[in-house]
Amino acid sequence: GAGVSQTPSNKVTEKGKYVELRCDPISGHTALYWYRQSLGQGPEFLIYFQGTGAADDSGLPNDRFFAVRPEGSVSTLKIQRTERGDSAMYLCASSSTQGGDSTNTGELFFGEGSRLTVL
Amino acid sequence: AQSVAQPEDQVNVAEGNPLTVKCTYSVSGNPYLFWYVQYPNRGLQFLLKYITGDNLVKGSYGFEAEFNKSQTSFHLKKPSALVSDSALYFCAVRPGYSSASKIIFGSGTRLSIRP
Repeated sequence: GAGVSQTPSNKVTEKGKYVELRCDPISGHTALYWYRQSLGQGPEFLIYFQGTGAADDSGLPNDRFFAVRPEGSVSTLKIQRTERGDSAMYLCASSSTQGGDSTNTGELFFGEGSRLTVL
Repeated sequence: AQSVAQPEDQVNVAEGNPLTVKCTYSVSGNPYLFWYVQYPNRGLQFLLKYITGDNLVKGSYGFEAEFNKSQTSFHLKKPSALVSDSALYFCAVRPGYSSASKIIFGSGTRLSIRP
């Protein structure tokens, strides 16, 4: 497909378990974002990749959260020792560039999200 | 640090009336500003953006937004609301000069259009 793909769409796990959420961005998009959204709230920034490197990971809440993008395309968000408070919708978005060129504005294209429920 | 404020949790408008959803921002330098819409059980969809130039920008579904630098605002508007416009709306901002900066979203405004 042409859009951003996120898997799984739903994940139910038990407290203390390890979880991986996958994001497949639009082909050719260099920038990739992870956000977390609780019901009725705005997307909360977690981490942003430019290519393979994390350009800004200031939104990761603690060291249980980690994300990788080893080949500059697919990204995986990893959550260790899950807690009930981690339950949320995890959103991935990609854009063609984050440059200062006014023709490349960093408009985001979002996936449908992965809903994580920690019991 | 950059931030976005959407002061209204909910806006209620009668169909056919004009609507405004408010947004103010704080960012270093010139901003890139965006509006996104989220329908129930759907991902966020881009509506419109301000980068530079004309302060009034037009976007999808008849929406427009006005950039006001002195008031640091970017309010979303539509001349005549439709019931189908009912959704959650998010304002977002990033610095325009930076090649490596995050996009920050507001807390959202629920727009409810009554028939």
